[in-house]
Amino acid sequence: QKEVEQNSGPLSVPEGAIASLNCTYSDRVSQSFFWYRQYSGKSPELIMSIYSNGDKEDGRFTAQLNKASQYVSLLIRDSQPSDSATYLCAVKGYINSGYALNFGKGTSLLVTP
Amino acid sequence: DVKVTQSSRYLVKRTGEKVFLECVQDMDHENMFWYRQDPGLGLRLIYFSYDVKMKEKGDIPEGYSVSREKKERFSLILESASTNQTSMYLCALTSPSGRTYEQFFGPGTRLTVL
Repeated sequence: QKEVEQNSGPLSVPEGAIASLNCTYSDRVSQSFFWYRQYSGKSPELIMSIYSNGDKEDGRFTAQLNKASQYVSLLIRDSQPSDSATYLCAVKGYINSGYALNFGKGTSLLVTP
Repeated sequence: DVKVTQSSRYLVKRTGEKVFLECVQDMDHENMFWYRQDPGLGLRLIYFSYDVKMKEKGDIPEGYSVSREKKERFSLILESASTNQTSMYLCALTSPSGRTYEQFFGPGTRLTVL
């Protein structure tokens, strides 16, 4: 079973600060990585995908990938209370006879006003 | 926009009942997935399908079966519901574009088995 590990949190940051969420994965050959946001009682929502080493920016979000270290992270700049949610890291992997996403258990983020 | 519809938001069933959870898409996506999500256990893959009449087991297929008779509909079946199948069930599909494997989720069905 390919592992995707995240710190469960909660990670608490003040409004306006940078939130840094981290994820490590065990499958060395993985090529596709995703971050999802999930509000309580709602389904996961895709916020970022990243496929190449380095940084990818989208608005206040930056995804960082380091395949050599098997590490992917998500930075949220100027954090807002509305960013309070659980953030799921997902890695594309081979499961039985096909490709699917392996999800971490998520990091809970709390942005305090 | 990708639209994934699940038949019910909340469902209450009795132990031993046969339960059908339906997932419907409005576009021509091949890959569809069923997950369950439980506190502390995260999202776990039950079954997935690449096309009509095709199915693949995920990590926790025991106690479940699936049906995909038409491309737009992927059903999850609990043959004889048990209390340990109380969970949030999420259907997902992947974008068909190129090399990406972005998954999009339906709103989920919260199933309670009494």
